[in-house]
Amino acid sequence: AQKITQTQPGMFVQEKEAVTLDCTYDTSDPSYGLFWYKQPSSGEMIFLIYQGSYDQQNATEGRYSLNFQKARKSANLVISASQLGDSAMYFCAMTLSRAGNNRKLIWGLGTSLGVNP
Amino acid sequence: NAGVMQNPRHLVRRRGQEARLRCSPMKGHSHVYWYRQLPEEGLKFMVYLQKENIIDESGMPKERFSAEFPKEGPSILRIQQVVRGDSAAYFCASSPPGQKDTQYFGPGTRLTVL
Repeated sequence: AQKITQTQPGMFVQEKEAVTLDCTYDTSDPSYGLFWYKQPSSGEMIFLIYQGSYDQQNATEGRYSLNFQKARKSANLVISASQLGDSAMYFCAMTLSRAGNNRKLIWGLGTSLGVNP
Repeated sequence: NAGVMQNPRHLVRRRGQEARLRCSPMKGHSHVYWYRQLPEEGLKFMVYLQKENIIDESGMPKERFSAEFPKEGPSILRIQQVVRGDSAAYFCASSPPGQKDTQYFGPGTRLTVL
């Protein structure tokens, strides 16, 4: 069965420093997509970054990058130069590409990130 | 282009009442997903719909829950005879045909059952 594991329930980082949020996944399907979403205290779900299983390069979006290690089945999110506004819950999620048009997301339990001034 | 809209944003119901949650996908989007987020947990997939069709309802509780996405109008998630355990945030996401891996989320509806 497909599964996403986020082992860090909560963590803190100093403002302007980089931080890595861990995510491991489990699937036997060769084709899948990995996502990171941010959920601030206001509750909305904000898309951050996407990595396809066949993508050769690690995905980057501004201060966000995804450290994709396929052999280890890990897809860690790296946030560079942390800002106070980065304080939020962060969720890793996976979708399977073999399922036709169905792209239902399988979610981890999330990591709560606090940024200290 | 307006984003995914959900209403109401907050809904309070007493046990035994019905809850109706509405989701208007982005213009041109024909795929809708519903997810539930219980307190202190990640999201769980509930149902995937295309216009007038339920494609995958494997995450829906067997009783009291139903969903529809009619030809015209928003998608509706309906919970009959609500219980306290239904208290959660319910998120809707939509995607356009062709961009299969991109889901755009609405702000969610927070249901509280008293």
